[in-house]
Amino acid sequence: GQNIDQPTEMTATEGAIVQINCTYQTSGFNGLFWYQQHAGEAPTFLSYNVLDGLEEKGRFSSFLSRSKGYSYLLLKELQMKDSASYLCAALTGGGNKLTFGTGTQLKVEL
Amino acid sequence: DAGVIQSPRHEVTEMGQEVTLRCKPISGHNSLFWYRQTMMRGLELLIYFNNNVPIDDSGMPEDRFSAKMPNASFSTLKIQPSEPRDSAVYFCASSLNSAGETQYFGPGTRLLVL
Repeated sequence: GQNIDQPTEMTATEGAIVQINCTYQTSGFNGLFWYQQHAGEAPTFLSYNVLDGLEEKGRFSSFLSRSKGYSYLLLKELQMKDSASYLCAALTGGGNKLTFGTGTQLKVEL
Repeated sequence: DAGVIQSPRHEVTEMGQEVTLRCKPISGHNSLFWYRQTMMRGLELLIYFNNNVPIDDSGMPEDRFSAKMPNASFSTLKIQPSEPRDSAVYFCASSLNSAGETQYFGPGTRLLVL
């Protein structure tokens, strides 16, 4: 079966850096997505990693280690608007099927 | 450009009634996904289509749920009869049909079955 684990909640301070971890055990792994979801809204795409290493996109970076079944999302210079749920999702099989983790609720405080 | 369109945005119904959720994918996208999101189980894939053909329906909870995609610009998810445990947010998403293509989500339908 597919198993994706991420912390349920995290709290961080405005202006700080936070790292959200995700571990996965899946069959036919083809890549790792991160989505952001604000309360009452739809998930929106943040990043996609298919190769090992770090992908940087502005304040957000995502890292993947396929051998360890591990990824993280790094958020720098945190802003209040970054308070949201962050969903880790594994791309599995030969197509474009995503299996999502249950999400990490991030709260940014002053 | 219009994103994924879903209707209705909110639905309140009574147990036993039929519910039909509708989705229009982004023009040019040939993969369509139906998800259900609850606090307890998170975001779960129910079914997905490639080029209007159902590819994987292993997430459909039971025979009360059915989905169709009669053409490239329209899909429905039907629950008949509905039960209180079906209460959830149902999202439709679309993408291009290639591994690694980003899925774009619609605004969702909030379903409450009384």
